[in-house]
Amino acid sequence: SAVISQKPSRDICQRGTSLTIQCQVDSQVTMMFWYRQQPGQSLTLIATANQGSEATYESGFVIDKFPISRPNLTFSTLTVSNMSPEDSSIYLCSAVNHGSLGKNIQYFGAGTRLSVL
Amino acid sequence: DAKTTQPNSMESNEEEPVHLPCNHSTISGTDYIHWYRQLPSQGPEYVIHGLTSNVNNRMASLAIAEDRKSSTLILHRATLRDAAVYYCILSRLQGAQKLVFGQGTRLTINP
Repeated sequence: SAVISQKPSRDICQRGTSLTIQCQVDSQVTMMFWYRQQPGQSLTLIATANQGSEATYESGFVIDKFPISRPNLTFSTLTVSNMSPEDSSIYLCSAVNHGSLGKNIQYFGAGTRLSVL
Repeated sequence: DAKTTQPNSMESNEEEPVHLPCNHSTISGTDYIHWYRQLPSQGPEYVIHGLTSNVNNRMASLAIAEDRKSSTLILHRATLRDAAVYYCILSRLQGAQKLVFGQGTRLTINP
C-alpha cells in the first residue's frame, strides 16, 4: 500500500489568486494523478503527473490553469491558478506503486477542500 | 471508456449482507472490473477487482456474470463503517492506468 498526505487539507481563497496543493507519498511510486471532485459530484481526472517531464492533461484541463510538478518519485504539486468560485472543489492526489502497477490499484489522499470567494 | 450503470442509492441494515449491482453491457474483453468506495470526507479506497471469475478478499466478494455484462459487489455483513459511495469502474490494466469514475451508489447502513 501507500500512504498519501495532502497539504493543505482545506483553504478559503480570494478570486484571482493561486493555491498550490502538495502531495507527499510515503514510498516511491510509479504513477501519480490529480483529480477534482466538485460539490456533490464524482471524481474527474485532471492529469497524470509525470516524473521529470510535463504532466499529461485530460480533455478540458490545461497547463496554464492547473500547472503540475513532480520533481521526484514521492512528491507532486498541483497549482490552481487565477481562481474563480467555479474552482471550489475537492482536489485529490492518487498514486500507483510498483506492487499495484498492472492491477490499476490507486491509493488516494484525503483531499484538499478549496473554497473560492 | 466503457460505461457502467449503478443505482444512485441503496439502503441496508447493519450485520446483513449487501449486494451492490453494476451493469456494464459494453465491456470489452480486456476490461477489468474495479470497485472503489469513498467514505465520508475521505479519498476513494480500493475494494476489489476481477476479470471473469468471482473474487474474494477480506473486504468483499465480486460476482461477475458469465457474459460479463454485469457484476455485483457483495458485502457479507455490513457495518456502519461500510456507509459510503461505491464506484464500479472498468479499466484496462496496461498503459495509462487511469480510472474513470461514474456517479456511484450511495450506500446507507441502518443500525
